Amino acid sequence: QVQLVQSGTEVKKPGASVKVSCKASGYTFTGYYMHWVRQAPGQGLEWMGRINPNSGDTKYAQKFQGRVTMTRDTSITTAYMELSRLRSDDTAVYYCATSGGGYDNFAYWGQGTLVTVSS
Amino acid sequence: SSELTQDPAVSVALGQTVRITCQGDSLRSHYASWYLQKPGQAPVLVIYGKNNRPSGIPDRFSGSSSGDTASLTITGAQAEDEADYYCNSRDSSDNVIFGGGTKLTVL
Repeated sequence: QVQLVQSGTEVKKPGASVKVSCKASGYTFTGYYMHWVRQAPGQGLEWMGRINPNSGDTKYAQKFQGRVTMTRDTSITTAYMELSRLRSDDTAVYYCATSGGGYDNFAYWGQGTLVTVSS
Repeated sequence: SSELTQDPAVSVALGQTVRITCQGDSLRSHYASWYLQKPGQAPVLVIYGKNNRPSGIPDRFSGSSSGDTASLTITGAQAEDEADYYCNSRDSSDNVIFGGGTKLTVL
């Protein structure tokens, strides 16, 4: 069965960076885009961008351009999302998600990683 | 514009039918997907494409679309359907966009 297992809770200071990992299993990792979505406390879902695990090609939401970097390591079927210059409003649960088929229908989600930004 | 608009809150009596809508220009070209999310949990895909349900999603969930509006219908709402519901789609540049979410209360 498809599983996406994310790294654990992070606490960071403003201005720092955070790197969240997403270990995929149960499907062909290079076959489907991996997306990253975040959710601030009490707020809705926000798409951050996606990576093509096969080519490494990325597409980022304009809001995060220049601050986010998505990478992958195909040898260990793991995707990464690094967010730099953290601010307090980056406090959120960060999810990786993949479709297993289409582009934007996310059938599979990681369990989420809470990132808290606080001085 | 690259936005999807949802009503913030909707309620339905137990066993009745409820429709949750999602409006946006991108829906004229792309289907919406629908997710439910319960507190403290990751979202769950319930409808995608024209009207497709992933394995394990009850058939009381259905989707439809007309013009710039997509709808999720729950026929015979159950107590366990109480959740936040989100639509998503993509824009002309392949950016994924989410609606703001609808909180469904089952009375």
